[in-house]
Amino acid sequence: AAGVIQSPRHLIKEKRETATLKCYPIPRHDTVYWYQQGPGQDPQFLISFYEKMQSDKGSIPDRFSAQQFSDYHSELNMSSLELGDSALYFCASSLSGNSGNTIYFGEGSWLTVV
Amino acid sequence: AQSVTQLGSHVSVSEGALVLLRCNYSSSVPPYLFWYVQYPNQGLQLLLKYTTGATLVKGINGFEAEFKKSETSFHLTKPSAHMSDAAEYFCAVNTLGGKLIFGQGTELSVKP
Repeated sequence: AAGVIQSPRHLIKEKRETATLKCYPIPRHDTVYWYQQGPGQDPQFLISFYEKMQSDKGSIPDRFSAQQFSDYHSELNMSSLELGDSALYFCASSLSGNSGNTIYFGEGSWLTVV
Repeated sequence: AQSVTQLGSHVSVSEGALVLLRCNYSSSVPPYLFWYVQYPNQGLQLLLKYTTGATLVKGINGFEAEFKKSETSFHLTKPSAHMSDAAEYFCAVNTLGGKLIFGQGTELSVKP
C-alpha cells in the first residue's frame, strides 16, 4: 500500500539559508500534518491542512510557512535557518471526519543546519 | 487540553521478559489513544489504537494495551520481549482538532 512520501530524506543547509521539504500524502487522504522532532525529543506539531486550507497551527516559527497544493501534496518552507532548526521533520496524513482515524507518518526528512 | 505522560524515559528488559511501558493521559473529552514505535533513523509506525468499544486493544508484533478510564492510563504490554523490539515508543492522544499530542517517549532496550 502507498505510504506518505517525503523528500528529500536528508538535507544539509547553512545558517540563514532556506530549505523546502515536500510531502505526498497517502492517496485520498485529505489532511496533512507537519511535525518537528528534535534529537531525543518527542514529535512536536507544527501545522496541519485540511482540503488545502490551514486547519490548525502549533509551535511553528514565523520563519516557517507551509501550504497544501491542489494535488494535495504539501511543502514546508523554512527560511533564515538557525542551528536549532536541525531536526527530523515528519509529514503525516489522515482521512478527516473522525479523530480516531489513524494518522500515518512518512519516514521523515533530516535537516542539518551548519 | 489534552496531554500524555510516559513514565520512564528508558526501560530495559531481558529477552523473553514482560514488557510494560506506562502511559497516562489527561483529557477533558473521551480520548482516542495511540501507541507508535520508532526504530532508529526511521519514521513512526502505528502499533495500536483505542477509539471506542473494547478496552483491551491488540496491535502488531504481539503488543497490546488496555484503556483504563478510572486510572486515565493506556499502558503498553508484550508478554515476551524480543531483541527486535528495541526502539523508541510513543504514546499519543488525538485531539478534537485531529492532531496528535505525543508523550515524551520511552526507549526500550532488550538484553540478550
